[in-house]
Parts: sequence; structure tokens; C-alpha cells
Amino acid sequence: KNQVEQSPQSLIILEGKNCTLQCNYTVSPFSNLRWYKQDTGRGPVSLTIMTFSENTKSNGRYTATLDADTKQSSLHITASQLSDSASYICVVSLGSRGSTLGRLYFGRGTQLTVWP
Amino acid sequence: SQTIHQWPATLVQPVGSPLSLECTVEGTSNPNLYWYRQAAGRGLQLLFYSVGIGQISSEVPQNLSASRPQDRQFILSSKKLLLSDSGFYLCALSRTGSYEQYFGPGTRLTVT
Repeated sequence: KNQVEQSPQSLIILEGKNCTLQCNYTVSPFSNLRWYKQDTGRGPVSLTIMTFSENTKSNGRYTATLDADTKQSSLHITASQLSDSASYICVVSLGSRGSTLGRLYFGRGTQLTVWP
Repeated sequence: SQTIHQWPATLVQPVGSPLSLECTVEGTSNPNLYWYRQAAGRGLQLLFYSVGIGQISSEVPQNLSASRPQDRQFILSSKKLLLSDSGFYLCALSRTGSYEQYFGPGTRLTVT
């Protein structure tokens, strides 16, 4: 069964600290893995997209890693800011030969709260 | 760059009433369009996607329907709402040949 599991479900950290969010998936065949940030009441915004051949990708203070062998990904946030408080969603795309319209599987997200 | 508009932003409807949510996009042509629902404490669930005018694919059986009357317009409808239809509805687009999906601001629907 194709699934995406995220941990922890919620996380509270102090401003300026680093944190790492985890994503495990069983989606196969794999096409790509995405991390989205979703502020409360808003649509998700893409942070990173990684394909099978990529094992790390950065976007400012966000760094995502991918281990396609163990089917695990992490999102590391450096020097957290209050504005980082949001839900972070891991999304895995099912491989679809010759098409970018692959079926997406969404994790339930990790709710991050950054305290001053 | 593309822009996604969703209307209305919030909606409270009684059970059994009809529904029409609209999504319009700007800044891109012939996009793939998607409707997602996000229930409280749950992940996003794909409801419909469309690769072109009049072409609709349904992911899950339900009392909702979708239509794409124009290239940049995607409409989600229901003839009779259920309590379980409450949630946050998101419209998204992707461009042909790209993995990236862009999400709209969403519509918060509460069925009472």
C-alpha cells in the first residue's frame, strides 16, 4: 500500500534553534518527493522537489535530504524563525512513465511551532 | 508567474444545499488543474484533476463533481452537501512537463 508517514506529528522549538522533520514512504514506483510549507488557513507552498537521483536540496534555511534506498526523507530547518511556524507536508509522487501527472501521496504533516 | 484565485474564501452551507466553488488561474496556458480537500487533522486528498477543457478525472467516489468550462477555470460542485463535505478545499495547477504544483489560497467550507 502506498503511504507517506511523517514524524513527529507536532514539534515546538525555540527561535534560533535547528530542527529536523522526518518522512518515510512506501510509494512505488517512485518519481519525486516534495516538501511543502502550509501556513494556517493558506494553501501549501513548495519548498523543495527531489527526484530519484538527488539526495539533497536546499532552499535558504531549509535543506531536504532523500535516501531512495531506505525510502526516507528529512527536512532540516536551520536557525528557526517565528515565521517558520506552520505545517510541513511531505508529498511523494508515484512514477508514471513519460508523464509528470503522477499520482501524489500526501503525509499528514508536522505542525511546527516556533516560540520566541 | 501564475496566480490562482479561489472564490469564495469561506462558506457556511446547510446540509442538503448545493455547492459551487470556483478556481481561476492567470499567467499560464493549458495548465493541469486539481481540486484537493483537506479535512481537519488529515492530509490533502485529491478529488479531481483535469488536463484540459472538458476533461475531468475523479479520484474518489463522492457526491461532488467538477467541470472545466474554460482553459483557466475549474469548478467544484455538489447538488446536495453532506456534513462530511466540510473541509478546506484547495485548487492547484501544474504545467505540462513540470512536477511542480502550485496551490491556491483555498476555500474553507463548513456544512451545518
